[in-house]
Amino acid sequence: NAGVTQTPKFQVLKTGQSMTLQCAQDMNHEYMSWYRQDPGMGLRLIHYSVGAGITDQGEVPNGYNVSRSTTEDFPLRLLSAAPSQTSVYFCASSYSRGGEHEQFFGPGTRLTVL
Amino acid sequence: GESVGLHLPTLSVQEGDNSIINCAYSNSASDYFIWYKQESGKGPQFIIDIRSNMDKRQGQRVTVLLNKTVKHLSLQIAATQPGDSAVYFCVPINAGKSTFGDGTTLTVKP
Repeated sequence: NAGVTQTPKFQVLKTGQSMTLQCAQDMNHEYMSWYRQDPGMGLRLIHYSVGAGITDQGEVPNGYNVSRSTTEDFPLRLLSAAPSQTSVYFCASSYSRGGEHEQFFGPGTRLTVL
Repeated sequence: GESVGLHLPTLSVQEGDNSIINCAYSNSASDYFIWYKQESGKGPQFIIDIRSNMDKRQGQRVTVLLNKTVKHLSLQIAATQPGDSAVYFCVPINAGKSTFGDGTTLTVKP
């Protein structure tokens, strides 16, 4: 299994540009999430999905869109990039079965918005 | 919503000593808790978890204690090694949603 994969690893955008961060998992997990992590801080939840076709907002959703057309993929779209969106973005997938819950993170995408 | 606070933002220990990282959470409905370790430049890595109906769970060199009365968790690392140097997050899970605080940075001195 590849686990959780994210592309690209690094990205530089200009203010106002749009782009999509890709995330895929091959573990057939029902839950997927996007977080951002600013320097010296914890991860903040942007959007999450509890299954294909279902998404919901997290703590900091403004400026981001998501969709979940398949179990495997959960892309994050920045509609009009702003310098405040400079951060490291982590995608995660998780399962919850029989009281057990485990979450796996991708390697992250480092985004700089100029 | 949930909030998570760690009692000390940084902790420095001598190699071979035991480490204790403490965490307080706010939502009594949280039904599951995970401790993650994050090394520089990497994503968080699962260490150990505990369900809300337990008060203690042990892994390899790690023990997590949960006190639901005061909404407090701790992570104990035995015989701390230089490879344990990282940021540690305690993460309550509620209805599949996880909440990260700012973490505790553990530094192990050789």
